[in-house]
Amino acid sequence: DTGVSQDPRHKITKRGQNVTFRCDPISEHNRLYWYRQTLGQGPEFLTYFQNEAQLEKSRLLSDRFSAERPKGSFSTLEIQRTEQGDSAMYLCASSPQDTVYEQYFGPGTRLTVT
Amino acid sequence: AQSVTQLDSHVSVSEGTPVLLRCNYSSSYSPSLFWYVQHPNKGLQLLLKYTSAATLVKGINGFEAEFKKSETSFHLTKPSAHMSDAAEYFCVVRDILTGGGNKLTFGTGTQLKVEL
Repeated sequence: DTGVSQDPRHKITKRGQNVTFRCDPISEHNRLYWYRQTLGQGPEFLTYFQNEAQLEKSRLLSDRFSAERPKGSFSTLEIQRTEQGDSAMYLCASSPQDTVYEQYFGPGTRLTVT
Repeated sequence: AQSVTQLDSHVSVSEGTPVLLRCNYSSSYSPSLFWYVQHPNKGLQLLLKYTSAATLVKGINGFEAEFKKSETSFHLTKPSAHMSDAAEYFCVVRDILTGGGNKLTFGTGTQLKVEL
Protein backbone atom coordinates (compact mmCIF):
# COMPACT_ATOMS: atom_id res chain seq x y z
CA ASP A 1 0.00 0.00 0.00
CA THR A 2 1.58 3.30 -1.07
CA GLY A 3 -0.99 5.63 0.44
CA VAL A 4 -0.57 8.05 3.34
CA SER A 5 0.19 6.22 6.56
CA GLN A 6 -0.19 7.39 10.13
CA ASP A 7 1.14 5.98 13.36
CA PRO A 8 -0.20 5.13 15.84
CA ARG A 9 -3.79 4.51 14.78
CA HIS A 10 -5.02 4.88 18.34
CA LYS A 11 -3.53 6.59 21.37
CA ILE A 12 -4.92 6.76 24.88
CA THR A 13 -3.16 9.10 27.24
CA LYS A 14 -3.73 10.76 30.57
CA ARG A 15 -4.32 14.47 30.85
CA GLY A 16 -1.06 16.37 31.12
CA GLN A 17 1.02 13.87 29.18
CA ASN A 18 2.77 14.63 25.89
CA VAL A 19 1.97 12.70 22.73
CA THR A 20 3.53 12.57 19.27
CA PHE A 21 1.98 11.35 16.05
CA ARG A 22 3.72 10.50 12.82
CA CYS A 23 2.58 10.88 9.23
CA ASP A 24 4.28 9.37 6.20
CA PRO A 25 2.96 11.00 3.03
CA ILE A 26 2.86 9.48 -0.41
CA SER A 27 6.37 9.38 -1.77
CA GLU A 28 7.37 12.57 -3.61
CA HIS A 29 4.37 14.54 -2.40
CA ASN A 30 5.90 17.83 -1.33
CA ARG A 31 2.76 19.24 0.36
CA LEU A 32 1.60 17.88 3.69
CA TYR A 33 -1.40 18.89 5.79
CA TRP A 34 -2.68 18.17 9.28
CA TYR A 35 -6.38 18.31 10.17
CA ARG A 36 -8.32 17.57 13.33
CA GLN A 37 -11.75 15.95 13.37
CA THR A 38 -13.91 15.89 16.48
CA LEU A 39 -16.97 13.69 16.89
CA GLY A 40 -19.83 14.73 14.66
CA GLN A 41 -17.83 17.41 12.87
CA GLY A 42 -15.91 17.71 9.65
CA PRO A 43 -12.12 17.91 9.69
CA GLU A 44 -10.59 21.29 10.53
CA PHE A 45 -7.32 22.55 9.07
CA LEU A 46 -4.41 22.77 11.49
CA THR A 47 -1.23 23.33 9.51
CA TYR A 48 0.50 22.95 6.14
CA PHE A 49 4.02 22.19 4.96
CA GLN A 50 5.59 22.66 1.59
CA ASN A 51 8.69 20.48 1.71
CA GLU A 52 10.22 21.18 5.13
CA ALA A 53 8.77 24.68 5.48
CA GLN A 54 5.70 25.17 7.65
CA LEU A 55 3.85 27.84 5.68
CA GLU A 56 0.49 28.12 7.43
CA LYS A 57 -0.84 27.48 10.92
CA SER A 58 -4.45 27.72 12.02
CA ARG A 59 -5.36 29.64 15.15
CA LEU A 60 -6.62 26.25 16.36
CA LEU A 61 -2.98 25.26 16.74
CA SER A 62 -2.27 26.51 20.25
CA ASP A 63 1.25 26.84 21.62
CA ARG A 64 0.91 23.33 23.06
CA PHE A 65 0.92 21.97 19.53
CA SER A 66 4.00 21.74 17.35
CA ALA A 67 4.48 20.16 13.96
CA GLU A 68 7.66 19.41 12.09
CA ARG A 69 8.73 18.00 8.76
CA PRO A 70 12.48 17.98 9.14
CA LYS A 71 13.58 16.50 5.83
CA GLY A 72 10.54 17.24 3.77
CA SER A 73 9.34 13.66 3.98
CA PHE A 74 7.53 12.41 7.10
CA SER A 75 5.95 14.77 9.60
CA THR A 76 5.32 14.69 13.33
CA LEU A 77 2.63 16.43 15.35
CA GLU A 78 3.31 16.81 19.06
CA ILE A 79 0.81 17.85 21.68
CA GLN A 80 2.24 18.89 25.04
CA ARG A 81 0.32 18.82 28.32
CA THR A 82 -2.70 17.17 26.72
CA GLU A 83 -6.19 18.24 27.74
CA GLN A 84 -9.46 16.37 27.42
CA GLY A 85 -10.48 18.79 24.68
CA ASP A 86 -7.63 17.47 22.57
CA SER A 87 -9.47 14.17 22.14
CA ALA A 88 -10.09 13.88 18.41
CA MET A 89 -9.05 12.17 15.20
CA TYR A 90 -5.88 13.71 13.78
CA LEU A 91 -5.72 13.39 10.01
CA CYS A 92 -2.77 13.83 7.71
CA ALA A 93 -3.02 14.49 3.99
CA SER A 94 -0.52 14.99 1.22
CA SER A 95 -0.51 16.23 -2.34
CA PRO A 96 1.99 16.75 -5.12
CA GLN A 97 2.70 20.31 -6.15
CA ASP A 98 1.37 19.84 -9.65
CA THR A 99 -2.01 18.51 -8.50
CA VAL A 100 -3.79 21.67 -7.57
CA TYR A 101 -6.76 20.33 -5.75
CA GLU A 102 -6.81 16.77 -4.50
CA GLN A 103 -5.44 15.85 -1.09
CA TYR A 104 -4.83 12.21 -0.22
CA PHE A 105 -5.78 11.44 3.36
CA GLY A 106 -4.37 8.91 5.76
CA PRO A 107 -6.55 6.78 8.08
CA GLY A 108 -5.95 9.10 11.03
CA THR A 109 -4.77 8.78 14.62
CA ARG A 110 -7.53 8.68 17.19
CA LEU A 111 -6.46 10.37 20.42
CA THR A 112 -8.34 9.83 23.66
CA VAL A 113 -7.30 11.91 26.66
CA THR A 114 -8.57 10.56 29.98
CA ALA B 1 -14.07 33.44 4.71
CA GLN B 2 -15.58 30.73 2.59
CA SER B 3 -17.85 28.14 4.15
CA VAL B 4 -20.21 25.31 3.30
CA THR B 5 -23.40 24.21 5.00
CA GLN B 6 -24.70 20.67 4.73
CA LEU B 7 -28.41 20.80 5.20
CA ASP B 8 -28.98 17.26 6.45
CA SER B 9 -26.96 15.49 9.11
CA HIS B 10 -28.56 12.11 8.29
CA VAL B 11 -30.14 10.78 5.11
CA SER B 12 -31.72 7.34 4.80
CA VAL B 13 -32.63 5.75 1.45
CA SER B 14 -33.60 2.33 0.20
CA GLU B 15 -31.22 0.43 -2.02
CA GLY B 16 -31.90 1.22 -5.66
CA THR B 17 -33.53 4.60 -4.99
CA PRO B 18 -31.98 8.01 -5.74
CA VAL B 19 -29.64 9.79 -3.36
CA LEU B 20 -29.65 13.54 -2.74
CA LEU B 21 -27.20 15.13 -0.30
CA ARG B 22 -27.56 18.89 -0.04
CA CYS B 23 -24.85 21.50 0.31
CA ASN B 24 -24.93 25.29 0.16
CA TYR B 25 -21.82 27.41 -0.02
CA SER B 26 -20.85 30.92 0.92
CA SER B 27 -18.10 32.61 -1.05
CA SER B 28 -17.31 36.09 -2.27
CA TYR B 29 -15.83 34.73 -5.48
CA SER B 30 -16.17 31.66 -7.67
CA PRO B 31 -15.34 28.78 -5.36
CA SER B 32 -13.67 25.44 -5.86
CA LEU B 33 -15.95 22.82 -4.33
CA PHE B 34 -15.55 19.15 -3.56
CA TRP B 35 -17.33 16.17 -2.14
CA TYR B 36 -15.36 13.72 -0.02
CA VAL B 37 -16.56 10.40 1.39
CA GLN B 38 -15.42 8.78 4.63
CA HIS B 39 -16.05 5.10 5.19
CA PRO B 40 -15.57 3.74 8.72
CA ASN B 41 -11.91 3.10 9.52
CA LYS B 42 -10.84 4.37 6.11
CA GLY B 43 -9.29 7.62 4.95
CA LEU B 44 -11.25 10.40 3.31
CA GLN B 45 -11.61 9.89 -0.42
CA LEU B 46 -12.33 12.49 -3.08
CA LEU B 47 -15.61 11.81 -4.91
CA LEU B 48 -15.62 14.76 -7.28
CA LYS B 49 -14.54 18.36 -7.72
CA TYR B 50 -15.86 21.57 -9.28
CA THR B 51 -13.25 24.06 -10.43
CA SER B 52 -15.19 26.54 -12.60
CA ALA B 53 -15.36 24.36 -15.69
CA ALA B 54 -18.55 22.39 -16.42
CA THR B 55 -21.26 23.00 -13.84
CA LEU B 56 -22.33 19.34 -13.86
CA VAL B 57 -19.51 17.30 -12.43
CA LYS B 58 -19.27 13.53 -12.58
CA GLY B 59 -17.35 11.61 -9.95
CA ILE B 60 -16.52 8.10 -8.95
CA ASN B 61 -19.04 5.35 -8.20
CA GLY B 62 -21.83 6.99 -10.18
CA PHE B 63 -22.05 10.18 -8.12
CA GLU B 64 -22.45 13.60 -9.66
CA ALA B 65 -23.00 17.14 -8.45
CA GLU B 66 -24.29 20.32 -10.03
CA PHE B 67 -22.91 23.78 -9.26
CA LYS B 68 -25.74 26.34 -9.21
CA LYS B 69 -24.48 29.85 -8.66
CA SER B 70 -27.96 31.36 -8.47
CA GLU B 71 -28.82 29.04 -5.59
CA THR B 72 -25.30 28.88 -4.10
CA SER B 73 -25.70 25.13 -4.04
CA PHE B 74 -23.59 22.09 -4.86
CA HIS B 75 -25.84 19.10 -4.19
CA LEU B 76 -24.57 15.54 -4.57
CA THR B 77 -26.75 12.98 -6.34
CA LYS B 78 -26.73 9.37 -7.45
CA PRO B 79 -29.51 7.74 -9.45
CA SER B 80 -29.50 4.44 -7.60
CA ALA B 81 -28.09 3.81 -4.13
CA HIS B 82 -26.04 0.76 -3.33
CA MET B 83 -25.40 -0.72 0.10
CA SER B 84 -21.72 0.12 -0.28
CA ASP B 85 -22.60 3.84 -0.49
CA ALA B 86 -23.37 3.92 3.23
CA ALA B 87 -20.80 6.34 4.65
CA GLU B 88 -20.30 9.95 5.77
CA TYR B 89 -20.16 12.54 3.04
CA PHE B 90 -18.53 15.95 3.33
CA CYS B 91 -19.01 19.02 1.19
CA VAL B 92 -15.77 20.98 1.03
CA VAL B 93 -14.58 24.39 -0.18
CA ARG B 94 -11.00 25.35 -0.91
CA ASP B 95 -8.92 28.37 0.09
CA ILE B 96 -5.52 29.01 -1.43
CA LEU B 97 -2.63 29.10 1.05
CA THR B 98 0.85 30.62 0.95
CA GLY B 99 2.96 28.83 -1.62
CA GLY B 100 -0.08 27.56 -3.49
CA GLY B 101 -1.25 24.97 -1.00
CA ASN B 102 -4.94 24.32 -0.40
CA LYS B 103 -6.82 24.69 2.86
CA LEU B 104 -9.94 22.55 2.77
CA THR B 105 -12.93 23.72 4.81
CA PHE B 106 -15.33 20.88 5.48
CA GLY B 107 -19.03 20.91 6.21
CA THR B 108 -20.36 19.06 9.22
CA GLY B 109 -21.08 15.94 7.19
CA THR B 110 -24.10 13.92 6.12
CA GLN B 111 -24.37 10.33 7.27
CA LEU B 112 -25.94 8.27 4.48
CA LYS B 113 -27.75 5.10 5.47
CA VAL B 114 -28.81 2.63 2.79
CA GLU B 115 -31.49 0.12 3.70
CA LEU B 116 -32.53 -3.07 1.94
